[in-house]
Parts: sequence; structure tokens; C-alpha cells
Amino acid sequence: GAVVSQHPSRVICKSGTSVKIECRSLDFQATTMFWYRQFPKQSLMLMATSNEGSKATYEQGVEKDKFLINHASLTLSTLTVTSAHPEDSSFYICSARNSGTSGGATYNEQFFGPGTRLTVL
Amino acid sequence: KQEVTQIPAALSVPEGENLVLNCSFTDSAIYNLQWFRQDPGKGLTSLLLIQSSQREQTSGRLNASLDKSSGRSTLYIAASQPGDSATYLCAVEDSGYALNFGKGTSLLVTP
Repeated sequence: GAVVSQHPSRVICKSGTSVKIECRSLDFQATTMFWYRQFPKQSLMLMATSNEGSKATYEQGVEKDKFLINHASLTLSTLTVTSAHPEDSSFYICSARNSGTSGGATYNEQFFGPGTRLTVL
Repeated sequence: KQEVTQIPAALSVPEGENLVLNCSFTDSAIYNLQWFRQDPGKGLTSLLLIQSSQREQTSGRLNASLDKSSGRSTLYIAASQPGDSATYLCAVEDSGYALNFGKGTSLLVTP
């Protein structure tokens, strides 16, 4: 299957600082990437949809000025948590959508990065 | 808004048992359904992907079925092993391409 990487895998920062998380599709181009957040013992919740070359679409309740998303190329999307606070501590996971046609058949599947554990002190 | 429910929330079985995990969704207009495995503190491992036109997929000891009309999917695990212990997540892809996740079933297989 296709590979998606995330960096860093773990980050600890002080309250008020900004943290950037990178999501890369290593062997395919992804016009659409997604950012999810997972709190302890909860499921994944979609934060935003990142489209290459255009503004991200945020889910209701997600502050776009706090969670800045940039999708500048077909293989890279970044999530910046600005002025992080302890309540932003969570597990952030990205996914990249690989879609197209092969042999007359249409395929589409999302591939997930390994996640980034953010702890804000 | 699509809602995905997984039953049971937790399950503990002795090694060797066959088991079934259930997933239901409220909107049958889906593109596909995916089952994932998540180990504690780790990311997601994709297990099976069922396209909306398909009824089931199999991989090794795993078999997943999809009934779009009734909004249900089941994940069947044959001959469970302690290494199968993890949280299993069901997710459906809707027209917006994002995945809607259930809360998962936490599985413990005891030796």
C-alpha cells in the first residue's frame, strides 16, 4: 500500500508556542489530505480537509485561525497549532487520498500517517 | 450527518474463538467502508476496504461484509490470537471523501 509519513512523531512544548506538523505522501500524489484529532479513549474526529492549492475546509467547531493548514504541494500538507494550550494536547493524524483509474477500474483509498502526539505543558 | 456506531464497545475472549464485530451507519450513500486496527498510542493500520459496490472482502483470518441497504458491516475474525488484541475502528467514506469513524471496539484476546 501507499505510504504516508508524519513528522514529528512526538512533540512537547510550552503553552503559547506554535507547533508545525508535516504530513507527506511518499509514493503518490494527493490532491486531498485530511487532518484528524483523537483524544484519549475517543475515536478520530475530522478537523479539516486540505486541498492542494486552495484553502482548507474546517469542520464545525474547529478554529481555522488556531489550526493553520497549508497544502502547498501534491505530497505535503502541514498543520500548525498556533499559541498552543494544554487543551490542545492530543494525537493528531493525517491521511492522504489516493485515487484514480487503473485498468479501467476506479480506485480510491485513504492512507494514514503514524500520528503525532502533542503535549502542551 | 453520518453517524457510525460500533458494538460492542469492548470484548474479551479466550484465544481460538471466532468473533464478530459490528458496525452500523445512518446514511447508506457511502463510497466505501474501511476497517482499521489501532494499537495503544499508535496510528491506524488498514485491515480491509470494501467499495460500495462490493459485498465483502477477505484477508487471511479476517472477513468483512457490507450491507449498504441496511447500513451495516461486520468484521469476522477467525481463530483469534493474543496478537489480535487492539482497538478495531470502522469508518465510512461519504461524498466529501472524509472518513467518519465509529468509537471502536476494544478487543482483548487472552491466552
